Amino acid sequence: AQKVTQAQTEISVVEKEDVTLDCVYETRDTTYYLFWYKQPPSGELVFLIRRNSFDEQNEISGRYSWNFQKSTSSFNFTITASQVVDSAVYFCALSSGNTGKLIFGQGTTLQVKP
Amino acid sequence: GAVVSQHPSRVICKSGTSVKIECRSLDFQATTMFWYRQFPKQSLMLMATSNEGSKATYEQGVEKDKFLINHASLTLSTLTVTSAHPEDSSFYICSAFRDTSYNEQFFGPGTRLTVL
Repeated sequence: AQKVTQAQTEISVVEKEDVTLDCVYETRDTTYYLFWYKQPPSGELVFLIRRNSFDEQNEISGRYSWNFQKSTSSFNFTITASQVVDSAVYFCALSSGNTGKLIFGQGTTLQVKP
Repeated sequence: GAVVSQHPSRVICKSGTSVKIECRSLDFQATTMFWYRQFPKQSLMLMATSNEGSKATYEQGVEKDKFLINHASLTLSTLTVTSAHPEDSSFYICSAFRDTSYNEQFFGPGTRLTVL
């Protein structure tokens, strides 16, 4: 079975704090892809990152960074020096094999207060 | 990134009517598109896989006779919600799958359906 778990339902931080959003996944496939999406109030999904199962290298993009650890089946997302504009719902997703089908986690609502 | 459009962005209809939602891949040909549904404050759930030139594949629990999917061309997939009821009110999002070797896909902006 394939599953994505985002245990944090809601997180509230004050601007400039660092925040980490957790994502744990389950799959029996050896080839899979992991994603993070941001969903602002408008509803449109904003793609943040895609990582395949063979690339465990961590990635940094500006204030965003991702930590992929196959040993713990986790793909955590950290926002450094958070800003009010980061307030949104963040989804972690899994796609196994080459089907393209995405299984989404429950989502984490991040509120960044000024 | 590639552009995927959806039309309409918002629709309000009366119970019992049918509603058609279009998903267009504007700058690449997509043999496969996906339809997702998102209820308020919930996650996205895959409804069906739309394949150009063949029948759609529906996920377990999704009524294929209620949610008709047509993928008539490499750039257009349509989802028709037949005999809509208030419980069908949801946010419907499509995605176009571009690259199977890199699992690259692009989401449309979504359609918010409200059934009165």
